[in-house]
Amino acid sequence: AQKVTQAQTEISVVEKEDVTLDCVYETRDTTYYLFWYKQPPSGELVFLIRRNSFDEQNEISGRYSWNFQKSTSSFNFTITASQVVDSAVYFCALRPSNTNAGKSTFGDGTTLTVKP
Amino acid sequence: EPEVTQTPSHQVTQMGQEVILRCVPISNHLYFYWYRQILGQKVEFLVSFYNNEISEKSEIFDDQFSVERPDGSNFTLKIRSTKLEDSAMYFCASSESAGQGAYEQYFGPGTRLTVT
Repeated sequence: AQKVTQAQTEISVVEKEDVTLDCVYETRDTTYYLFWYKQPPSGELVFLIRRNSFDEQNEISGRYSWNFQKSTSSFNFTITASQVVDSAVYFCALRPSNTNAGKSTFGDGTTLTVKP
Repeated sequence: EPEVTQTPSHQVTQMGQEVILRCVPISNHLYFYWYRQILGQKVEFLVSFYNNEISEKSEIFDDQFSVERPDGSNFTLKIRSTKLEDSAMYFCASSESAGQGAYEQYFGPGTRLTVT
Protein backbone atom coordinates (compact mmCIF):
# COMPACT_ATOMS: atom_id res chain seq x y z
CA ALA A 1 0.00 0.00 0.00
CA GLN A 2 1.09 3.52 -0.69
CA LYS A 3 0.67 6.51 1.54
CA VAL A 4 1.63 10.16 1.26
CA THR A 5 1.56 12.41 4.30
CA GLN A 6 1.59 16.17 4.18
CA ALA A 7 1.53 17.04 7.85
CA GLN A 8 1.12 20.78 7.31
CA THR A 9 -2.53 21.47 6.57
CA GLU A 10 -2.13 25.23 6.24
CA ILE A 11 0.83 27.57 6.12
CA SER A 12 0.69 31.34 6.09
CA VAL A 13 3.71 33.51 5.30
CA VAL A 14 4.41 37.07 4.38
CA GLU A 15 5.65 37.86 0.91
CA LYS A 16 9.39 37.34 0.40
CA GLU A 17 9.65 34.77 3.15
CA ASP A 18 10.98 31.32 2.31
CA VAL A 19 8.63 28.44 2.97
CA THR A 20 9.11 24.66 2.98
CA LEU A 21 6.30 22.22 2.38
CA ASP A 22 6.88 18.78 3.83
CA CYS A 23 6.04 15.45 2.20
CA VAL A 24 6.66 12.02 3.67
CA TYR A 25 5.73 8.87 1.82
CA GLU A 26 5.41 5.15 2.38
CA THR A 27 5.70 2.50 -0.28
CA ARG A 28 6.85 -1.08 -0.68
CA ASP A 29 7.78 -0.50 -4.29
CA THR A 30 11.48 -0.41 -5.01
CA THR A 31 11.01 1.98 -7.88
CA TYR A 32 8.61 4.85 -7.89
CA TYR A 33 8.04 8.42 -8.89
CA LEU A 34 7.31 11.42 -6.70
CA PHE A 35 5.47 14.51 -7.87
CA TRP A 36 4.44 17.93 -6.70
CA TYR A 37 1.36 19.66 -8.07
CA LYS A 38 0.00 23.12 -7.49
CA GLN A 39 -3.74 23.73 -7.35
CA PRO A 40 -4.61 27.42 -7.58
CA PRO A 41 -8.06 28.71 -6.60
CA SER A 42 -9.25 28.09 -10.16
CA GLY A 43 -9.02 24.35 -9.40
CA GLU A 44 -6.76 22.90 -12.06
CA LEU A 45 -3.75 20.75 -11.18
CA VAL A 46 -0.47 22.22 -12.33
CA PHE A 47 2.44 19.81 -12.60
CA LEU A 48 5.59 21.13 -10.92
CA ILE A 49 8.10 18.31 -10.77
CA ARG A 50 8.63 14.58 -11.15
CA ARG A 51 11.45 12.80 -9.32
CA ASN A 52 12.58 9.23 -9.99
CA SER A 53 13.39 7.16 -6.90
CA PHE A 54 16.78 6.41 -8.43
CA ASP A 55 17.70 10.06 -8.52
CA GLU A 56 18.31 11.71 -5.17
CA GLN A 57 19.86 14.79 -6.64
CA ASN A 58 18.17 17.94 -5.41
CA GLU A 59 16.69 20.20 -8.01
CA ILE A 60 16.25 23.92 -8.31
CA SER A 61 13.97 25.68 -10.74
CA GLY A 62 13.88 29.42 -10.27
CA ARG A 63 12.43 30.10 -6.83
CA TYR A 64 11.45 26.44 -6.39
CA SER A 65 13.68 23.73 -5.00
CA TRP A 66 13.11 20.15 -3.99
CA ASN A 67 14.94 18.03 -1.45
CA PHE A 68 14.52 14.28 -1.95
CA GLN A 69 15.88 12.07 0.82
CA LYS A 70 15.22 8.41 0.30
CA SER A 71 16.64 7.50 3.72
CA THR A 72 13.86 9.42 5.43
CA SER A 73 11.24 8.90 2.69
CA SER A 74 10.80 12.61 2.30
CA PHE A 75 10.40 14.88 -0.68
CA ASN A 76 10.19 18.44 0.57
CA PHE A 77 9.45 21.51 -1.51
CA THR A 78 10.86 24.95 -0.79
CA ILE A 79 9.70 28.23 -2.27
CA THR A 80 12.25 30.99 -1.91
CA ALA A 81 11.14 34.61 -1.67
CA SER A 82 7.47 33.69 -1.79
CA GLN A 83 5.01 35.79 -3.77
CA VAL A 84 1.27 36.30 -3.48
CA VAL A 85 0.80 34.31 -6.69
CA ASP A 86 2.25 31.27 -4.91
CA SER A 87 -0.90 31.08 -2.81
CA ALA A 88 -2.48 27.72 -3.64
CA VAL A 89 -2.94 24.18 -2.41
CA TYR A 90 0.13 22.05 -3.03
CA PHE A 91 -0.10 18.29 -3.38
CA CYS A 92 2.64 15.73 -3.14
CA ALA A 93 1.98 12.47 -5.00
CA LEU A 94 3.55 9.06 -5.37
CA ARG A 95 3.28 6.60 -8.23
CA PRO A 96 4.92 3.19 -8.62
CA SER A 97 6.97 2.69 -11.74
CA ASN A 98 6.47 -1.07 -11.97
CA THR A 99 2.83 -1.08 -12.99
CA ASN A 100 1.19 -0.16 -16.24
CA ALA A 101 -1.73 1.33 -14.38
CA GLY A 102 0.50 4.04 -12.98
CA LYS A 103 -2.04 5.44 -10.56
CA SER A 104 -0.97 8.30 -8.34
CA THR A 105 -1.55 8.49 -4.61
CA PHE A 106 -1.92 12.04 -3.37
CA GLY A 107 -1.33 13.58 0.01
CA ASP A 108 -4.02 15.67 1.67
CA GLY A 109 -2.45 18.86 0.41
CA THR A 110 -0.98 21.93 2.08
CA THR A 111 -2.77 25.23 1.69
CA LEU A 112 -0.22 28.00 1.32
CA THR A 113 -1.29 31.59 1.83
CA VAL A 114 1.20 34.29 0.99
CA LYS A 115 0.20 37.68 2.35
CA PRO A 116 1.43 40.93 0.84
CA GLU B 1 1.57 22.66 -26.15
CA PRO B 2 -0.87 19.73 -26.23
CA GLU B 3 -3.24 19.50 -23.33
CA VAL B 4 -6.01 17.38 -21.90
CA THR B 5 -9.42 18.98 -22.25
CA GLN B 6 -12.59 18.26 -20.32
CA THR B 7 -16.20 19.18 -20.88
CA PRO B 8 -18.27 20.54 -19.36
CA SER B 9 -16.37 22.65 -16.86
CA HIS B 10 -19.33 22.56 -14.50
CA GLN B 11 -22.27 20.17 -14.48
CA VAL B 12 -25.26 20.43 -12.22
CA THR B 13 -27.57 17.45 -12.03
CA GLN B 14 -30.32 16.10 -9.85
CA MET B 15 -29.86 13.08 -7.64
CA GLY B 16 -30.62 9.87 -9.50
CA GLN B 17 -29.79 11.26 -12.93
CA GLU B 18 -27.11 9.88 -15.19
CA VAL B 19 -24.17 12.06 -16.10
CA ILE B 20 -21.40 11.66 -18.63
CA LEU B 21 -18.18 13.56 -18.17
CA ARG B 22 -16.05 13.94 -21.25
CA CYS B 23 -12.34 14.14 -21.73
CA VAL B 24 -10.09 14.45 -24.75
CA PRO B 25 -6.65 13.09 -23.82
CA ILE B 26 -3.48 14.15 -25.54
CA SER B 27 -3.49 12.53 -28.94
CA ASN B 28 -0.49 10.19 -28.72
CA HIS B 29 -1.15 9.09 -25.16
CA LEU B 30 -2.12 5.52 -24.44
CA TYR B 31 -3.09 5.50 -20.78
CA PHE B 32 -6.09 7.32 -19.41
CA TYR B 33 -7.24 7.98 -15.87
CA TRP B 34 -10.02 9.47 -13.85
CA TYR B 35 -9.50 11.03 -10.44
CA ARG B 36 -11.95 12.62 -8.06
CA GLN B 37 -11.52 15.44 -5.58
CA ILE B 38 -14.29 16.13 -3.11
CA LEU B 39 -14.23 19.80 -2.15
CA GLY B 40 -11.43 20.53 0.28
CA GLN B 41 -10.09 16.99 0.20
CA LYS B 42 -7.33 15.10 -1.53
CA VAL B 43 -7.30 13.91 -5.10
CA GLU B 44 -8.34 10.25 -5.25
CA PHE B 45 -7.72 7.71 -7.97
CA LEU B 46 -10.80 6.19 -9.58
CA VAL B 47 -9.74 4.18 -12.59
CA SER B 48 -7.06 3.66 -15.21
CA PHE B 49 -7.73 2.55 -18.76
CA TYR B 50 -5.50 1.10 -21.42
CA ASN B 51 -6.09 -0.73 -24.67
CA ASN B 52 -9.84 -0.35 -24.34
CA GLU B 53 -10.11 -1.93 -20.96
CA ILE B 54 -9.82 -1.04 -17.32
CA SER B 55 -6.33 -1.62 -15.94
CA GLU B 56 -7.06 -0.84 -12.34
CA LYS B 57 -9.87 0.65 -10.31
CA SER B 58 -10.28 1.80 -6.76
CA GLU B 59 -12.96 0.83 -4.29
CA ILE B 60 -14.68 4.12 -5.08
CA PHE B 61 -15.27 2.96 -8.64
CA ASP B 62 -18.32 0.80 -8.02
CA ASP B 63 -21.04 -0.43 -10.37
CA GLN B 64 -22.45 3.07 -10.69
CA PHE B 65 -19.37 4.13 -12.61
CA SER B 66 -18.23 3.15 -16.07
CA VAL B 67 -15.64 4.38 -18.52
CA GLU B 68 -15.50 4.22 -22.26
CA ARG B 69 -13.43 5.33 -25.17
CA PRO B 70 -16.21 5.64 -27.72
CA ASP B 71 -13.98 6.84 -30.52
CA GLY B 72 -10.33 7.63 -31.16
CA SER B 73 -10.29 10.83 -29.20
CA ASN B 74 -12.80 10.90 -26.35
CA PHE B 75 -12.62 9.21 -22.97
CA THR B 76 -15.76 9.32 -20.88
CA LEU B 77 -16.80 8.69 -17.29
CA LYS B 78 -20.45 7.80 -16.74
CA ILE B 79 -22.20 7.86 -13.41
CA ARG B 80 -25.48 5.97 -13.79
CA SER B 81 -27.50 7.26 -10.87
CA THR B 82 -25.85 10.18 -9.16
CA LYS B 83 -25.86 10.61 -5.41
CA LEU B 84 -25.22 13.72 -3.37
CA GLU B 85 -21.82 12.35 -2.37
CA ASP B 86 -20.75 12.21 -6.01
CA SER B 87 -20.44 15.99 -5.94
CA ALA B 88 -16.77 16.62 -6.60
CA MET B 89 -14.23 17.81 -9.10
CA TYR B 90 -13.43 15.07 -11.59
CA PHE B 91 -10.05 15.14 -13.26
CA CYS B 92 -9.14 13.26 -16.36
CA ALA B 93 -5.47 12.52 -17.02
CA SER B 94 -3.45 10.83 -19.69
CA SER B 95 0.10 9.64 -20.00
CA GLU B 96 2.23 8.59 -22.90
CA SER B 97 3.44 5.60 -21.00
CA ALA B 98 3.37 4.15 -17.55
CA GLY B 99 5.54 1.62 -15.76
CA GLN B 100 9.25 1.74 -16.34
CA GLY B 101 9.06 4.43 -18.94
CA ALA B 102 6.71 6.56 -16.96
CA TYR B 103 6.01 10.07 -18.05
CA GLU B 104 4.02 12.44 -15.95
CA GLN B 105 0.27 12.27 -16.03
CA TYR B 106 -1.13 15.32 -17.73
CA PHE B 107 -4.25 16.44 -15.95
CA GLY B 108 -7.19 18.17 -17.51
CA PRO B 109 -8.73 21.28 -15.92
CA GLY B 110 -11.45 19.22 -14.27
CA THR B 111 -15.24 19.07 -14.36
CA ARG B 112 -17.00 20.26 -11.27
CA LEU B 113 -20.04 18.03 -10.70
CA THR B 114 -22.75 19.28 -8.39
CA VAL B 115 -25.52 16.88 -7.46
CA THR B 116 -28.59 18.49 -5.94
